[in-house]
Parts: sequence; structure tokens; C-alpha cells
Amino acid sequence: DGGITQSPKYLFRKEGQNVTLSCEQNLNHDAMYWYRQDPGQGLRLIYYSQIVNDFQKGDIAEGYSVSREKKESFPLTVTSAQKNPTAFYLCASSLTGSTDTQYFGPGTRLTVL
Amino acid sequence: DQQVKQNSPSLSVQEGRISILNCDYTNSMFDYFLWYKKYPAEGPTFLISISSIKDKNEDGRFTVFLNKSAKHLSLHIVPSQPGDSAVYFCAASAGTGANNLFFGTGTRLTVIP
Repeated sequence: DGGITQSPKYLFRKEGQNVTLSCEQNLNHDAMYWYRQDPGQGLRLIYYSQIVNDFQKGDIAEGYSVSREKKESFPLTVTSAQKNPTAFYLCASSLTGSTDTQYFGPGTRLTVL
Repeated sequence: DQQVKQNSPSLSVQEGRISILNCDYTNSMFDYFLWYKKYPAEGPTFLISISSIKDKNEDGRFTVFLNKSAKHLSLHIVPSQPGDSAVYFCAASAGTGANNLFFGTGTRLTVIP
């Protein structure tokens, strides 16, 4: 069945380490997004990609990096430069970037110790 | 299964009139509800939220109503403006954290000048 998968669901890392969060979709969507969710707040956009090999910074891109080498994959790396990396990370996709409904993955909770 | 449902994929309203967007949920453990607004080629932006201890929250032209017994919430926009044309997402969570944030699939609002 089609959907968006994020792995792992929970991730623990030591401070100063880079960590990569996985996001895969088999919906044949062109656009993909990464959001961060902190308690009591709305989603904040980190990066988005409307097409393969292209991506743009969102509202809070500092300390993060992404790649979009394949249509179905949009991994997010949380670097040591991110000052407050502990959060819940949501990946989403939509048919096109000018769209329509975004479909979200189940999320990854990252805890930096 | 979809725990947060927005059964109307689209809504058209004349400028100046009231827009009412509806959302239903199935999980009685949800205690925090949010509405997001999304313009084309952008990520969703947080609009307004309500805690389950309230039945109404108002912010300018936007008011969210919560009916816990019916497991229903609605977003009222008065008066509607052409700039309100966007996709609106309802979301719900159980607890103030973001471990389980469930989104509806969105309603596209078109405000006709």
C-alpha cells in the first residue's frame, strides 16, 4: 500500500553527532517536505523539495541539510550545528509543490542526550 | 485508519461571507487541536489551536469551535477574504507533546471576489 515511511520512530544521539532521518514515499509525489514539531507549537518548515535534485530552505533550515537524489527519498541530516535538535520531525509529500494535500509520515522523535 | 477527518475536500465562499471548515475525530484521547493553512508551493503554517478544556478560541477573523461530545471541531473565518484561499488542515494530538500528531487530509477553500 502507498504511503510515507519515516524511520526510525525514536532516535537517540549524543550531542555533537550528526544524525540522518529517513523519509521514503511510494506515492509518486514530486514534492517532499520536512517539518519540526515542538510541544505546543505548530509545524515549522525545515526544507522542502519540489523536484528531484532541487530543494529550498524553509523557516528554520539552520543546522540541517537534505538531499533529493531520488524522487521517493528525502533524507534529513541534523548536524551538530543545530542548537536544539531534540524534537519531533515530520516528513510529508504532495503530488506537486503547488498543490493540494500534503500527506505526512508518522514522524521521528529525535532525542539528543 | 484516519483518526482525523475532513470530509469536504473543497469549499467555495463569496468574499465577505463566512467560511466554515469542519473536522471530525474518532479518538477521545485527543486533547489539543490545531488548524494549519497552506498556500501553494509552501509548507503549511500554523493558524489557530484549541485545548480540550475550551470550547472556543478566537483570533481576529478566525474562530475555532470544539464540540467534544460530538468529536467535532470547526474553523470559522469571518469575513472571508480572497487571500484566505488555501488548503486548511485540521490536526489533533493526545497530550501536549508531538508524539502523536494526526492530521486531516485538508480542505481547499476558495474565496470568490
